[in-house]
Parts: sequence; structure tokens; C-alpha cells
Amino acid sequence: SQQGEEDPQALSIQEGENATMNCSYKTSINNLQWYRQNSGRGLVHLILIRSNEREKHSGRLRVTLDTSKKSSSLLITASRAADTASYFCATDGGVSGGGADGLTFGKGTHLIIQP
Amino acid sequence: DTGVSQDPRHKITKRGQNVTFRCDPISEHNRLYWYRQTLGQGPEFLTYFQNEAQLEKSRLLSDRFSAERPKGSFSTLEIQRTEQGDSAMYLCASSPAETQYFGPGTRLLVL
Repeated sequence: SQQGEEDPQALSIQEGENATMNCSYKTSINNLQWYRQNSGRGLVHLILIRSNEREKHSGRLRVTLDTSKKSSSLLITASRAADTASYFCATDGGVSGGGADGLTFGKGTHLIIQP
Repeated sequence: DTGVSQDPRHKITKRGQNVTFRCDPISEHNRLYWYRQTLGQGPEFLTYFQNEAQLEKSRLLSDRFSAERPKGSFSTLEIQRTEQGDSAMYLCASSPAETQYFGPGTRLLVL
């Protein structure tokens, strides 16, 4: 079953604008990750934020995590046409952790950058 | 290219046939995962290997599904007596720790 729920399901913006996607999850986590998937392709890891972290940056990406609200956001600044893709948040097994449960993904946000 | 390869990339089969997919992980990664992804959904966990040991299987993995990872290197996922509901993208990922590196997937269509 899907743990995470991304919001919005789809987002279309102009090139150069910022894109913000949100993710909510249900159970306790050790970390939360964001992945990107281009149409019909495999997933590419973007960034990992641990449960004791509140914010993390990587290039044009900024991720926040609020464990009290069980939510995370991904901000992509100065968007480019190449950022067009689906973005998924994924959580680990929480207390059980250890990787044995795999990652639990949301349904994703489909981002379209208009040139 | 993440370094994880999957073969074949596409497979069309008739209902009732058996299919086998292969995943070659990044060589130094001891963890290997299989996921299934249907249109408009995120990937769903199927099974996990630590080296050659299969440590976890999802409830999604019915008895028609079997996975192996002999010698802790490549892995195979076999689906017996395929059903139309098995049509999906099958993704493999390998990992040294928390971050997973995904292959391009095998897209299965069962007619």
C-alpha cells in the first residue's frame, strides 16, 4: 500500500519559476527521500533527509521535513524544461528500518515545465 | 545511467506463460530490491535481498512470483502463469545503505 501522498498530483509552471511539491506520510520514519522519474524510465535519487533534520539543500533543491505533521516538501528553484518529470517521496520502514521493508512511495507529483 | 541494468526492457507475453526478468546491480552493493509500478502509481515493494539471502517478501508477491539472487550478484524475478493484472513496470534497485539506485525497469504486458 502507498504510505506517502504527494500534493499536488500535477503541476504546470513556466520555466524559471519555482516548483513546490508536498508529501504526507503515515508512520514513523528514519528518513525520507525524494526521487525523480522521467517518463517510462527508472527512478533517480535526488535527496535524503533524516528524521532529526528539518531542512536540507542540494543545488536547486530544498527539502523540509516536519515529523510532527508527518509531512515534507520539495522546492525546485529556477525550474528548467529538463526538470519535467514525476517526483516521488519515499519513506523507509521506520522502527523496523534496516532496509528490509524496502521503500514506501507515494503516487507522485507530475511536474511540467513550460518553456 | 545509475549502473543498475535490467533485461529485457520490454516483454509482451500471453496470459498463462512464464516470464523471467534479470537485474544486474552495482557490483559492490549488497542490498537488492524488486518493485512493481503500475501506471499513475508509485513503485510498490515486492522483495529484498541482503547478499544472496531473501529477507523480506511483500504480500503482493503471490506464490506465482519467485525471486533469486544466487551468489549475491545478479537477481532474477520469475512470474509463472502470468495474468493480465501482472502487466506493470518491474523495477530493480540496489543499495549500499539507505539510498537506492534504480535500473531502467522491465515493462511487462500480458495479453
